[in-house]
Amino acid sequence: DTGVSQDPRHKITKRGQNVTFRCDPISEHNRLYWYRQTLGQGPEFLTYFQNEAQLEKSRLLSDRFSAERPKGSFSTLEIQRTEQGDSAMYLCASSPSGFSSYEQYFGPGTRLTVT
Amino acid sequence: LAKTTQPISMDSYEGQEVNITCSHNNIATNDYITWYQQFPSQGPRFIIQGYKTKVTNEVASLFIPADRKSSTLSLPRVSLSDTAVYYCLVGDTNAGKSTFGDGTTLTVKP
Repeated sequence: DTGVSQDPRHKITKRGQNVTFRCDPISEHNRLYWYRQTLGQGPEFLTYFQNEAQLEKSRLLSDRFSAERPKGSFSTLEIQRTEQGDSAMYLCASSPSGFSSYEQYFGPGTRLTVT
Repeated sequence: LAKTTQPISMDSYEGQEVNITCSHNNIATNDYITWYQQFPSQGPRFIIQGYKTKVTNEVASLFIPADRKSSTLSLPRVSLSDTAVYYCLVGDTNAGKSTFGDGTTLTVKP
């Protein structure tokens, strides 16, 4: 295991379609985070898991967004009824317990384009 | 979460030392200061973290004055490959939420 992986790396979808992204954290990292990043901006926090529990959720995360981490390992982020404004890079990060929550290990991201 | 202010961009030349300062006037007692580096089309990468005084690792140094209202990331002898965006984050290490600002775009020229 060499790092956080995300799948797919790129996704093009039409407005109104649903999309789902997957994140596999570093093994034994029990904290997992999702961020969204648009061009020229820093990553925006979306949500955070400690094991399988979703502990925090940004107000940016509308009802169309849902994230899960059913067994405390991989996580999925689903966007329903996509809008053009959802076009962005979606980043996943993980960190081990006992570490600063700010020392996060990021994946390469999934770039979403909504046409 | 404390708000941070960084320069939008900086230019440097290969071999020079680069210092990027971050202001965080509202830093709280439990807050740590963390810096990340991000290359285009990649996720951010942790560089260094500190609470006070000075921290040094194989990549950078972090200087934090006694009042902790600012911090300076120091990159020794930069190379072209150090061209990236650098983010300063301030917050409680037990908090789940991390707030990135817009970062400082460092351009290293030959």
